[in-house]
Amino acid sequence: AQKVTQAQTEISVVEKEDVTLDCVYETRDTTYYLFWYKQPPSGELVFLIRRNSFDEQNEISGRYSWNFQKSTSSFNFTITASQVVDSAVYFCALSVLNAGNNRKLIWGLGTSLAVNP
Amino acid sequence: DSGVTQTPKHLITATGQRVTLRCSPRSGDLSVYWYQQSLDQGLQFLIQYYNGEERAKGNILERFSAQQFPDLHSELNLSSLELGDSALYFCASSVGTSSGFYNEQFFGPGTRLTVL
Repeated sequence: AQKVTQAQTEISVVEKEDVTLDCVYETRDTTYYLFWYKQPPSGELVFLIRRNSFDEQNEISGRYSWNFQKSTSSFNFTITASQVVDSAVYFCALSVLNAGNNRKLIWGLGTSLAVNP
Repeated sequence: DSGVTQTPKHLITATGQRVTLRCSPRSGDLSVYWYQQSLDQGLQFLIQYYNGEERAKGNILERFSAQQFPDLHSELNLSSLELGDSALYFCASSVGTSSGFYNEQFFGPGTRLTVL
């Protein structure tokens, strides 16, 4: 099976706390791509990051960091010193090969993060 | 603002009816993707068009169809609507034929469809 699991449905933190959003994936592909998207209350999904399966280097962008571990099939997202503006639904997605050698995106169900002042 | 526009923003209709959702991709993007987001199913990929031609198909029902026109805007047609079709429908765009599966997709604000 090819799927993405975001086990945390909802997380609530207080501003300035660190928070980690989990993403576990399953795929039989050796080449695949992982994504994180953010969906703020306004509704529009916004791209955050992409990782390919050959690049296990962790990435940091300001208060955001991503930990990709192939050994555990996980691609976790950490927000350091969270802010109210981080409140959103966060989606993890996996790009795998589909029939006809095309690709498709498989999405997790999302984690709703509420950052309270 | 992603540069992707969708109309209408909200749509309320009755069961059995037919509606058309419209999407204009970012300037220069040739691929358009349609998604359905519902509370129970999450985000589901429906279909992709590239430069006017269907490129990839996801979980799209036979009652639904889409097309992409020469000016690259796309329409998603939903017919014989059922209560379960109530959802947020997103359009996204990317530059190349497969680029949205390797790189960023740019999403529109969505159309919220309510079927009564």
